[in-house]
Amino acid sequence: QVQLQESGPGLVKPSETLSLSCSVSGISIRSYYWTWIRQSPGKGLEWIGYLDYSGNTKYNPSLKSRVSISADTSQNQFSLKLRSVTAADTAVYRCARVDGDYNTSFFYFYMDVWGKGTTVIVSS
Amino acid sequence: QSVLTQPPSVSGAPGQRVTISCTGSSSNIGAGFDVHWYQHLPGAAPKLLMFQNNNRPSGVPDRFSGSKSGTSASLAITGLQAEDEADYYCQSYDSSVSGWVFGGGTKLTVL
Repeated sequence: QVQLQESGPGLVKPSETLSLSCSVSGISIRSYYWTWIRQSPGKGLEWIGYLDYSGNTKYNPSLKSRVSISADTSQNQFSLKLRSVTAADTAVYRCARVDGDYNTSFFYFYMDVWGKGTTVIVSS
Repeated sequence: QSVLTQPPSVSGAPGQRVTISCTGSSSNIGAGFDVHWYQHLPGAAPKLLMFQNNNRPSGVPDRFSGSKSGTSASLAITGLQAEDEADYYCQSYDSSVSGWVFGGGTKLTVL
């Protein structure tokens, strides 16, 4: 059974870097694509970016200048870094596995396994 | 403001049928991109309910069905059960945003 667990600081100061990890169990991260999604209070879901099994990434253009996603295959986990955070980055952050036919465009992908999420508050 | 529009809430009595709409535009659903649906119970991880418009993952009851037409998609739930009470989200790709987009979510209440 594939399980994902997010971890990281629950409180980050404005202008600092938000760093989260997603630990994956039940399957090697080398076999799939992985993504981060967040949900701000009272708002809908927002896709942050994804990482493929070759280490390539694609980011939401609205966050691209501040975000990076990378993998640590030795720990079977992947991570999110979001720089220069503001209160607007306060949200529940969730990691998920990306599924679909990887031979087609990412236009058609979806998330088939999710973590429960971790709350990050940006405040001084 | 979400790119895909869903009704904030729907409700139905046990055994009834409800539908949840997901309205997009010519840059997402109307452009032919697939729609996927997720169920989110409080405190739990979201669950994939429907992928590629009308495909159910293993384990999802056939009470759930999906459809897509024009710039909209719908999730139908028949034989409503108390355990169906949750938030439901649709997802697609948007060429204007150049990324995956979601609906604002619909809270289903089983009366």
